[in-house]
Amino acid sequence: EIVLTQSPGSMSLSPGERATLSCRASQSVSNSYLAWYQQKPGQAPRLLIFGASSRASGIPDRFSGSGSGTDFTLTISRLEPEDFAVYYCQQYGSSPPFSFGPGTKVDIK
Amino acid sequence: EVLLLESGGGLGQPGGSLRLSCAASGFIFSSYAMTWVRQVPGKGLEYVSTISDNGGSTFYADSVKGRFTISRDNSKSTLYLQMNTLRAEDTAIYYCAKDVGSNYSPWNDWGQGTLVTISS
Repeated sequence: EIVLTQSPGSMSLSPGERATLSCRASQSVSNSYLAWYQQKPGQAPRLLIFGASSRASGIPDRFSGSGSGTDFTLTISRLEPEDFAVYYCQQYGSSPPFSFGPGTKVDIK
Repeated sequence: EVLLLESGGGLGQPGGSLRLSCAASGFIFSSYAMTWVRQVPGKGLEYVSTISDNGGSTFYADSVKGRFTISRDNSKSTLYLQMNTLRAEDTAIYYCAKDVGSNYSPWNDWGQGTLVTISS
């Protein structure tokens, strides 16, 4: 089973700043099948990025994903007030069971 | 509009059973694999189980294998999770999720979740 590690565990930033979130896999993720989700308190997760770099429908272009193999990055170019949330990476590079990272909390400085 | 509505959560006894349901609408249910994901309140997301579009393939996390059974009724557009031999550590919000249409993941539509609490 692929284990995902996210760093940092949390970050405090101001609106307008750039956020860079990291996700590292214990082994190579096939086909870069790595997704990112955003979750706000009391809400279900929301798919942001799939295939490491493709934005899901309706996701603003300030969100971008990159990476391959074992190292992946989610970048939020300029934080909007609604972007403060927890972000999870998830791999789906092989047959289930799939795995999530532990999450990175982005809060307001 | 895709809608996923979970039900069946509540208080269960250690060693007991519960069955969760997820009623789907707004898409051709029989064309998509479906997945259960859970989350202990305040903690991270945990994959639970996936079922293929026709129900012919099922997958489970090691933590629930042998205790939980995923199934679906395509005629009713409903997904199920039969949970047996429940443990305190099964306490969580359980979400059903629909994939984007291939490879069983990722999941672009989620229900609002149903809370399962296992306690004596």
